[in-house]
Amino acid sequence: DIQLTQSPSFLSASVGDRVTITCRASQGISNYLAWYQQKPGKAPKLLIYAASTLQSGVPSRFGGSGSGTEFSLTISGLQPEDFTTYYCQQLNRYPLTFGGGTKVEI
Amino acid sequence: EVQLVESGGGLVQPGGSLRLSCAASGFTFSDHYMDWVRQAPGKGLEWVGRIRNKANSYTTEYAASVKGRFTISRDDSKNSLYLQMNSLKIEDTGVYFCTRVAGTTWSTAVVDSWGQGTLVTVSS
Repeated sequence: DIQLTQSPSFLSASVGDRVTITCRASQGISNYLAWYQQKPGKAPKLLIYAASTLQSGVPSRFGGSGSGTEFSLTISGLQPEDFTTYYCQQLNRYPLTFGGGTKVEI
Repeated sequence: EVQLVESGGGLVQPGGSLRLSCAASGFTFSDHYMDWVRQAPGKGLEWVGRIRNKANSYTTEYAASVKGRFTISRDDSKNSLYLQMNSLKIEDTGVYFCTRVAGTTWSTAVVDSWGQGTLVTVSS
């Protein structure tokens, strides 16, 4: 199975900061990677797919990059509603797998 | 508007069975692959499995942790997705989400819609 390692697991930041979350795959997955945001008690929400394509309706302060085994999610100008948990998921090979999550805290 | 509504969760003893259902609306259900994703209390997301559409012979994929115990099925005439869970273990406890897969190619086969989830508790 393809393992996804997210770092950091926890990230402290302030409103207006630019933050980057990294997702490393145990083997190459081309650009078949998605990022999700999950707020407490809610279902996750798709932010980015194909490593860098912004899902419709997602604010442009969210950006994704990477290919192969190294990927990143960048939030430029953190807003209060962005302080929550983020997950990456690889879509290259079954079984599909998620990263362990990154919690962005104030 | 895409709506996915899960039902069927509850308390079950280890070794028991449970069948989850998901009622879909707001889109052409028969066109889409569908996934189940679960989340143990306080933990991260775990992909459970996928069922493809009729054009792809309703074939399925499963996580190793559930293969042989869980079965995903669908009824396109009822716009419904199902998850039959047998030989349940304590570690199967969690919220189970019904999800829609956006497209059918590798680059677009990403989950773009989620239900609210249904809680399954496996305990004696």
